[in-house]
Amino acid sequence: DVKVTQSSRYLVKRTGEKVFLECVQDMDHENMFWYRQDPGLGLRLIYFSYDVKMKEKGDIPEGYSVSREKKERFSLILESASTNQTSMYLCASSLPKRGYNEQFFGPGTRLTVL
Amino acid sequence: GQNIDQPTEMTATEGAIVQINCTYQTSGFNGLFWYQQHAGEAPTFLSYNVLDGLEEKGRFSSFLSRSKGYSYLLLKELQMKDSASYLCAVRDGGYGGATNKLIFGTGTLLAVQP
Repeated sequence: DVKVTQSSRYLVKRTGEKVFLECVQDMDHENMFWYRQDPGLGLRLIYFSYDVKMKEKGDIPEGYSVSREKKERFSLILESASTNQTSMYLCASSLPKRGYNEQFFGPGTRLTVL
Repeated sequence: GQNIDQPTEMTATEGAIVQINCTYQTSGFNGLFWYQQHAGEAPTFLSYNVLDGLEEKGRFSSFLSRSKGYSYLLLKELQMKDSASYLCAVRDGGYGGATNKLIFGTGTLLAVQP
């Protein structure tokens, strides 16, 4: 079974704090993704990575950065958290684009920025 | 631009059949996915279509028409546990290499009533 884990289910931070969200997958997947999910807006891609040390901006990268030093781990960093970054953050991983290689999602981290 | 449309909410009765529609306009196309997401949980993969036609998987079927930019998810013999959000996602064929990037719709919240 593919397993994608995220470091926290719930997180509360203060405005201006640096926040790290960690994601680990155990299936040797090349691709990893960070999304945020907000009511009425659906899942929006923040950043993705198709290999170690490789990263690409998604649709809403502003205010975020990422790190992928090892294949199994993909970190999302909020350099200076703001209240509009309060959201559900979902990590996903997949094999490369071939056939129906679907994305597998972690349980999500609900982040509240006060 | 990239646009994926789904109804926001639907209601159906236990034991009945429901069809959830999805229309898309994307710069590239390399397959369409349906995911199920129960409240507070991660999305889980339901189906994948890349060629026109119907794919059947137990109580769930998914249809694709690439020329019309249209898909639907058909759920038969509805059960209370089918109450969830259903997410339509198009795999972006525009990005080079093996990146398995998805563009998600905002999801359809299905309520199954007794």
